[in-house]
Amino acid sequence: DVKVTQSSRYLVKRTGEKVFLECVQDMDHENMFWYRQDPGLGLRLIYFSYDVKMKEKGDIPEGYSVSREKKERFSLILESASTNQTSMYLCASSRRLTGNTEAFFGQGTRLTVV
Amino acid sequence: GDSVTQMEGPVTLSEEAFLTINCTYTATGYPSLFWYVQYPGEGLQLLLKATKADDKGSNKGFEATYRKETTSFHLEKGSVQVSDSAVYFCAFGTASKLTFGTGTRLQVTL
Repeated sequence: DVKVTQSSRYLVKRTGEKVFLECVQDMDHENMFWYRQDPGLGLRLIYFSYDVKMKEKGDIPEGYSVSREKKERFSLILESASTNQTSMYLCASSRRLTGNTEAFFGQGTRLTVV
Repeated sequence: GDSVTQMEGPVTLSEEAFLTINCTYTATGYPSLFWYVQYPGEGLQLLLKATKADDKGSNKGFEATYRKETTSFHLEKGSVQVSDSAVYFCAFGTASKLTFGTGTRLQVTL
């Protein structure tokens, strides 16, 4: 059974803290993605990576950075957490995109910044 | 720019009712089209997809047809069940990324 695993289901952090969200996939996928999900806004792409050590900005990268040192692991970093980053964060992976490539999602991390 | 528009929810139906969730897209080229479903407390999972015009995707009683002339991919099910209660996302895929709609919450009651 294919799997994308996010390290935490729920996190509570304080404003200004550095926050790491971890994601691991066991499907040997080239692509990995970080989305945030907010009511009424759907899924918005933060960053994606199409290879080890490669990264591309998505639609809302401000306030975030990413790291991909190994193919199976993709980390999202909030350098200095703010309350407007309270959200559900979803990690996904896929084979190299050809337009009809299915993405597989983790269960999500609900982050609350207080 | 590229975008997906789907009907706002929540949609509330009685069990065995007919379901339609509308989805239209704006994209350059000829994208593939997807419906993803998110059950409570879970991540998204692929429900069905269609890769070219007039293709029909189907799964678990749900269907959607890729209509290039109307740039639409409406989701339908003839008889919904309580277990279908979830959030449904329309999406399209190009060579560079997946673009999602805002999601439609479906609540099915007995």
